[in-house]
Amino acid sequence: NAGVMQNPRHLVRRRGQEARLRCSPMKGHSHVYWYRQLPEEGLKFMVYLQKENIIDESGMPKERFSAEFPKEGPSILRIQQVVRGDSAAYFCASSPKDQMNEQFFGPGTRLTVL
Amino acid sequence: GDSVTQMEGPVTLSEEACLTINCTYTATGYPSLFWYVQYPGEGLQLLLKATKADDKGSNKGFEATYRKETTSFHLEKGSVQVSDSAVYFCALDMDSSYKLIFGSGTRLLVRP
Repeated sequence: NAGVMQNPRHLVRRRGQEARLRCSPMKGHSHVYWYRQLPEEGLKFMVYLQKENIIDESGMPKERFSAEFPKEGPSILRIQQVVRGDSAAYFCASSPKDQMNEQFFGPGTRLTVL
Repeated sequence: GDSVTQMEGPVTLSEEACLTINCTYTATGYPSLFWYVQYPGEGLQLLLKATKADDKGSNKGFEATYRKETTSFHLEKGSVQVSDSAVYFCALDMDSSYKLIFGSGTRLLVRP
């Protein structure tokens, strides 16, 4: 049973470039959540998606950040024109439909912006 | 707003020592409470949870009791092992929603 997969595990970008983070949920899970962990802080909710639908993006910065979960393929968190303040660990989690607070987390992607 | 506060780490213990990691919360209602553990290089794993006051969650020798009167959910273990070295996160959610609210994490290092 594969768990939640995230790639890449480490990503280095220069300011102004784009970052694409991928997340494959656990088999049978249709709900995906993205969290961000800034240095020395706890994880903060960003967005909740179901297949082809953004359910709640209240934790996403208003600009440069977007997320999708297409019918086929992984969920993608996209950050355009990255800045140094985007450097963080980004965690993806998934859950079954009826147990949304029982989330299974991936290992995270550590984004470093130079 | 709702929040979770954990004791700062790192916590360094010798093998077989007793562990307590403090966690307190602020919430407008009656949240469910969780402890997650993150081993090096891995994702967060649910360690234990409690959904109402006086509930005790337990797993792998770890325990935590939901104390409404002190708004606390402290993590305890009677005898730690080197393999318990990890980062521990306390979290809450309101009304069984999906929006988990995490503390900042406490790193535990257990020495042989």
